[in-house]
Amino acid sequence: ELKVEQNPLFLSMQEGKNYTIYCNYSTTSDRLYWYRQDPGKSLESLFVLLSNGAVKQEGRLMASLDTKARLSTLHITAAVHDLSATYFCAVVYGGSQGNLIFGKGTKLSVKP
Amino acid sequence: DAMVIQNPRYQVTQFGKPVTLSCSQTLNHNVMYWYQQKSSQAPKLLFHYYDKDFNNEADTPDNFQSRRPNTSFCFLDIRSPGLGDTAMYLCATSGPGQAYTDTQYFGPGTRLTVL
Repeated sequence: ELKVEQNPLFLSMQEGKNYTIYCNYSTTSDRLYWYRQDPGKSLESLFVLLSNGAVKQEGRLMASLDTKARLSTLHITAAVHDLSATYFCAVVYGGSQGNLIFGKGTKLSVKP
Repeated sequence: DAMVIQNPRYQVTQFGKPVTLSCSQTLNHNVMYWYQQKSSQAPKLLFHYYDKDFNNEADTPDNFQSRRPNTSFCFLDIRSPGLGDTAMYLCATSGPGQAYTDTQYFGPGTRLTVL
């Protein structure tokens, strides 16, 4: 059974600081996604990582994937308040069925 | 402009009273998914359709059913809602290229409260 673990689950940051969210998964998968969710809202796709060593960046967020270590990171650079949200990583499970197994999410709060 | 639409956005129902949630998409995607997300938890897949083929997750309660009358629409029926079914229900789609490899796009969700 595929397990996806994120840490930390809660993160309080000051504006301007850097931090990294980690996502570990237990079995081989060829795709990993990062989603953002604002309170009471749906999930917004941020990144899809398809291969070992993949790195994607959008604004202050950068995601990377190490398939050998079964680890993905989401790095936040110079955090701003607008980044406050819950971030989920999700890993494809079940071969071609495309079922996503989500981590528990990291609730990020960026304070002035 | 909306690509995955869910109705209603908020639904309150009585314990045991059947409820139907609706999802429609303008993306012409092959695959449509239903997830349940309880408060402060990760989304959990209930089932999905690949075209007309229905795929149920092993631990999805029998109380939850789904219908997909055409490519654009998919419904979630909860036959006898219990208090534990209070949650956000998210519809997602993927495809049409290599449907299972494409990113899943989520609708805004329906927040269901069972009283």
